[in-house]
Amino acid sequence: NAGVTQTPKFQVLKTGQSMTLQCAQDMNHEYMSWYRQDPGMGLRLIHYSVGAGITDQGEVPNGYNVSRSTTEDFPLRLLSAAPSQTSVYFCASSRDTGNTIYFGEGSWLTVV
Amino acid sequence: AQSVSQHNHHVILSEAASLELGCNYSYGGTVNLFWYVQYPGQHLQLLLKYFSGDPLVKGIKGFEAEFIKSKFSFNLRKPSVQWSDTAEYFCAVKTGGGNKLTFGTGTQLKVEL
Repeated sequence: NAGVTQTPKFQVLKTGQSMTLQCAQDMNHEYMSWYRQDPGMGLRLIHYSVGAGITDQGEVPNGYNVSRSTTEDFPLRLLSAAPSQTSVYFCASSRDTGNTIYFGEGSWLTVV
Repeated sequence: AQSVSQHNHHVILSEAASLELGCNYSYGGTVNLFWYVQYPGQHLQLLLKYFSGDPLVKGIKGFEAEFIKSKFSFNLRKPSVQWSDTAEYFCAVKTGGGNKLTFGTGTQLKVEL
């Protein structure tokens, strides 16, 4: 049981490049979400999903796309990276409402 | 929209001192409340959570929190901190369905020997 697995752990991108942050969970959780963590701002919700094929925007969705083709995977895509997207990204999952939310170990992204 | 305020951004304590970190939220309906801890370079770990029932919640590593509905507060406490408690602490609230959390800005705790 690996929990919530994020890859890559560290990435440096040039402005304008695209990339995908991967998130996978092996707990059969319906709910998954992506947060970004910036100094002095806590964690802010980017996108979330309540099941395969269902996604919605969070607080800071601009510049990011998501899809949920399977229960296990919830990739986060940066279409054209900008320096403002330099951050630490956390994926989270939970079984359903009222259950503990589990976080991945984070992905450190730097856009230069 | 809901919001979470953590009043202390940086706290420095000596070992064995008592800890209380403040957390206030703004939401009038049913809330689920959480405290997470993030050790340097690591991911968030759940310390404790409140969904319903006894407003005094006990978590891991000797931490506890009290939910006071009338004050919209969920303060974190520990009677005697250890050097290993040095970390960043986040209060979070979940409203409605899904696993959408609103986080406070965090409190950096440094425990000195």
